[in-house]
Amino acid sequence: ESVLTQSPATLSLSPGERATLSCRASQSVSNNLLAWYQQKPGQAPRLLIYAASNRATGIPARFSGSGSGTDFTLTISSLEPEDFAIYYCQLRREWPPYIFGQGTRLEIK
Amino acid sequence: EVQLLESGGGLVQPGGSLRLSCAASGSSFNTYVMSWLRQTPGKGLEWVADIYTGQMKMKTYHSDSLRGRFTISRDDSKSTLYLQMNSLSAEDTAVYYCAKLSGSGTYALSAYFSLWGRGTLVTVSS
Repeated sequence: ESVLTQSPATLSLSPGERATLSCRASQSVSNNLLAWYQQKPGQAPRLLIYAASNRATGIPARFSGSGSGTDFTLTISSLEPEDFAIYYCQLRREWPPYIFGQGTRLEIK
Repeated sequence: EVQLLESGGGLVQPGGSLRLSCAASGSSFNTYVMSWLRQTPGKGLEWVADIYTGQMKMKTYHSDSLRGRFTISRDDSKSTLYLQMNSLSAEDTAVYYCAKLSGSGTYALSAYFSLWGRGTLVTVSS
């Protein structure tokens, strides 16, 4: 079964710094069907990136996604205070259809 | 802007049943492919079930581990999604989310979750 591993588990950075979050799949992700979500405490996840590199509607340009095959990256170019949250990656495959990573907690240093 | 609002969560005893609802605002609900997901501190985010549109005969898919106990359905006349949950156990304690699916490429209708509700907490305990 395909597994998604996110690293690091926790990332401590300061506002203004660049954040690089990793998501590695145990098998190649077909058609780069990988998405990234942001979740703040007490809120539902929010779609940031779909198909590995496409920003969802209303997502600021400081968020970008890249990668292919088994290795994907979410980059936040310059952290804003509201960006500190948990980030999840998710892939789409035949079955089971949706797999989520365990999350990376981005915290203020 | 479309919004999703879940309801129906609460405290239920082991072995009991519960029906969750998800009401959608807007007029295009009948064109949405919809999902239920759940989230626990231990297992993280977990997909529960999908339901397609009337044009696709409302085809449903359920997680292997939950099929037989959980059933997804929809009433497009009420713009509402449902999740019937039976034979509940403590392991089903979670926040349950409804979500709108969107797609690309091979999975043009269902690749990622583009809109989420706020979630409803289900607690299974005696």
